Amino acid sequence: GENVEQHPSTLSVQEGDSAVIKCTYSDSASNYFPWYKQELGKRPQLIIDIRSNVGEKKDQRIAVTLNKTAKHFSLHITETQPEDSAVYFCAASRNAGNQFYFGTGTSLTVIP
Amino acid sequence: NAGVTQTPKFQVLKTGQSMTLQCAQDMNHNSMYWYRQDPGMGLRLIYYSASEGTTDKGEVPNGYNVSRLNKREFSLRLESAAPSQTSVYFCASSVGSPNTEAFFGQGTRLTVV
Repeated sequence: GENVEQHPSTLSVQEGDSAVIKCTYSDSASNYFPWYKQELGKRPQLIIDIRSNVGEKKDQRIAVTLNKTAKHFSLHITETQPEDSAVYFCAASRNAGNQFYFGTGTSLTVIP
Repeated sequence: NAGVTQTPKFQVLKTGQSMTLQCAQDMNHNSMYWYRQDPGMGLRLIYYSASEGTTDKGEVPNGYNVSRLNKREFSLRLESAAPSQTSVYFCASSVGSPNTEAFFGQGTRLTVV
């Protein structure tokens, strides 16, 4: 089955700085890579996703990059704000079976 | 639009008791999932149902059973609860193939004493 590894487990940045979270996956058949944000006590919610036919995707201050050869994808948050503080999860999925496998999460703290 | 609804939100069980977690979605999604979330472990897939009428084991199925009652509903049953099953449980659903966003329920915090 798929194995998704995520680093770092915790990350603290000053407000206005950038944050980068990295994930690797093992199953070359995975073709969909979403990122979820989970605020304390809340449900995970999608913030951005990328498919395997695309190398990069941006949405305002958030971007995701994918390197299929290396089986590596990353989340980039620029100009961080205190409301970006949360736990972020990467995931990998493939069409066959449709199951999503998640990384272990990164707790991001943005210091005002 | 309710999305994914789970019941109950909180539950305390004694070791050996049984219970069923209910999940329903109103988005006409084909695929549904049950995850458990433990500190430092992320979200681990217990069981999933790729489409109505099918269920499959995920990463951590031992001690659980599921039923895809119809397209809307996917329940998770603990036959004999153990303290190791203390966790937060999330139900989720997605359109299916090709893969798109999974929507999560609000979670069930289960404590087994």
